[in-house]
Amino acid sequence: QSALTQPASVSGSPGQSITISCTGTSSDIGAYNYVSWYQQHPARAPKLIIYDVSHRPSGVSNRFSGSKSGNTAYLTISGLQAEDEADYHCSSYSNSITRYVFGSGTKVTVL
Amino acid sequence: QVHLQQSGAGLVKPSETLSLTCTISGGSIRSDSWTWIRQPPGKGLEWIAYVYYSGSTDSNPSLQSRVTLSPDTSKNQFSLRLTSVTAADTAVYYCARRYCGDTSCNFDSWGQGTLVTVSS
Repeated sequence: QSALTQPASVSGSPGQSITISCTGTSSDIGAYNYVSWYQQHPARAPKLIIYDVSHRPSGVSNRFSGSKSGNTAYLTISGLQAEDEADYHCSSYSNSITRYVFGSGTKVTVL
Repeated sequence: QVHLQQSGAGLVKPSETLSLTCTISGGSIRSDSWTWIRQPPGKGLEWIAYVYYSGSTDSNPSLQSRVTLSPDTSKNQFSLRLTSVTAADTAVYYCARRYCGDTSCNFDSWGQGTLVTVSS
C-alpha cells in the first residue's frame, strides 16, 4: 500500500494534454512544496522530471508541468507524444517517520 | 554528470543477507548524500535509506532494524546490506544520488537497477 494515491492508468491521443493526480495528506503533500515526479520507461531507472511541485531540471521538456492544491499534486503532460508512454511516480517529503513517500505509479498510454 | 553503477547478487536465500554496492563516477561521495530505493514487481517505489560520506544515515522505519548503509570514500562507493530477507524483499533495487538544492533534496541520478529475488 503506497502512501500517495495515483490513478493506475491515464491515456490520451497524440497532441492532447493529460493530467495525473497524486493525493497525499497534511503530513506530506499538504505540508510542504516538496513534491517531485519521476518518469520510468519499461525496464529503465526512474528519471526526475519535476521537483519542488513545479520546477523542471535542466533538459526536461517544458511539455511537463506540475502544480499542487491542498493535499493533491498534479502532473500535466501537454502535446502528448509517443515517447511519453511510461510510468509516472509522484513523491513527497513527509513529516511522518518515513521521510520520503511515493505513489503507486500511473501508466500513461498514448493511443 | 554523475553516473552510478550497481553490482551485487541477484539471488538471495530466505533468512540470508542481501548485499549491493553502488560505484560513483563523475562525482564524489563527499558531495551530497546517497540513497537506496526499491520497487517490488508491479508496484511503486519505496525509499530505503540514505547515507553521507561520514557514515551518518537515515532510514525507513519499516526497514531500519535490518538495513545497514556503508560509505567507502577510498573507492567512491556505498553499499547496502539488508538482513533476514524474505520473499517480500524481492524487488528491483536502485541506488541514487540525493541532491540537496536551495530548497529541497531530490533523487536526480539513478543506477541501472538490480533485480534481487529472494528464493531458496
